[in-house]
Amino acid sequence: DAGVTQSPTHLIKTRGQQVTLRCSPKSGHDTVSWYQQALGQGPQFIFQYYEEEERQRGNFPDRFSGHQFPNYSSELNVNALLLGDSALYLCASSLGGGVNQPQHFGDGTRLSIL
Amino acid sequence: AQKITQTQPGMFVQEKEAVTLDCTYDTSDPSYGLFWYKQPSSGEMIFLIYQGSYDQQNATEGRYSLNFQKARKSANLVISASQLGDSAMYFCAMRGPLHGSGNTGKLIFGQGTTLQVKP
Repeated sequence: DAGVTQSPTHLIKTRGQQVTLRCSPKSGHDTVSWYQQALGQGPQFIFQYYEEEERQRGNFPDRFSGHQFPNYSSELNVNALLLGDSALYLCASSLGGGVNQPQHFGDGTRLSIL
Repeated sequence: AQKITQTQPGMFVQEKEAVTLDCTYDTSDPSYGLFWYKQPSSGEMIFLIYQGSYDQQNATEGRYSLNFQKARKSANLVISASQLGDSAMYFCAMRGPLHGSGNTGKLIFGQGTTLQVKP
């Protein structure tokens, strides 16, 4: 039973560049959420995708955008990268998003901005 | 607004002893879920235990149990018989109802507690 997979594992970019992170949800899950985790902090919600639409968004600028494909996989795009975007980006999947459905996380993508 | 507070930045425990990690929460929604996750230094977030706001009994999963005190809005994690492999960052998180309050299921995390198990 494949869990949540994210790629790439690590990424180094420079300021102003654009980046795309990818996520495949756990088998059977249809909802994908993205979180940003700065060093030493708890994860912060970026947005959630369900049925190929952004269902909810956290307090992140429009430079952060995403997409969900028919097979439920998802991409996170960040434009005009800033030094402050350096973080661990976590993808989580769940089924339907009900209150008692745990979100299962991938190993994350460590993004470093130089 | 929903909020999770973890007041213990770091904790030490002797191997084989029990330890309690504190978590308090704030919400005006009657329906919510509380989760605990473990994050080792490698980065992956591992789901440990869940407690629903309407659950009458405290949740248990192996060596993990959740001390849920609804009136006090606390959801402390108890780890029994600590092992060296329990050394990690632990996060308490809340998720609200899917509809009605506008919350579509995002998780709100606390700042985390670093647990170190001593041999």
